[in-house]
Amino acid sequence: DSGVTQTPKHLITATGQRVTLRCSPRSGDLSVYWYQQSLDQGLQFLIQYYNGEERAKGNILERFSAQQFPDLHSELNLSSLELGDSALYFCASSVVDKPTYNEQFFGPGTRLTVL
Amino acid sequence: LAKTTQPISMDSYEGQEVNITCSHNNIATNDYITWYQQFPSQGPRFIIQGYKTKVTNEVASLFIPADRKSSTLSLPRVSLSDTAVYYCLVGGGYSGNTGKLIFGQGTTLQVKP
Repeated sequence: DSGVTQTPKHLITATGQRVTLRCSPRSGDLSVYWYQQSLDQGLQFLIQYYNGEERAKGNILERFSAQQFPDLHSELNLSSLELGDSALYFCASSVVDKPTYNEQFFGPGTRLTVL
Repeated sequence: LAKTTQPISMDSYEGQEVNITCSHNNIATNDYITWYQQFPSQGPRFIIQGYKTKVTNEVASLFIPADRKSSTLSLPRVSLSDTAVYYCLVGGGYSGNTGKLIFGQGTTLQVKP
């Protein structure tokens, strides 16, 4: 158990819909990262927040957005869903804002299925 | 952006040393190299991280040549429980707000008895 929690574990929805994925980082970690894992694209970095502020942005679509709240939990919002958005979405956390200097702890993931 | 390339799969036997190489020709000056292990239906788990030369911890070693265009993860005396997917991650060298993290496509290691 990494100490990072993600809800829900599974999510099934239809094209065009909007969903929200939630992540609670390890106690004491200020940074939250979001990743998408699919069979054809592998692990893709989406976005990082540090202490409530956006810190780095990866291959995140405009239809996707995220935020980190004062209690440090984070939410990833996915809208106008397409079939290709079906994937595993991981959240990770680390103590500081630079993943180069320490490890990221990954949550168990949310499996999103868009029908 | 750094593009990372790894072998898709490797086979080994219990007790052998396994070396997995990752190619990252466009690595930036500030980028680090990190390796993660992933089991089915689980999130990746940190193995080791380095910037240059050699790093060793209780589970693995990481070799990075002087030009840093590749890195090799070395797993000593693998066991069946080391069967997993291994990812090379390059990045984290932030310049302003444009830091990006690039994962390789992953190497599926199959350890046989």
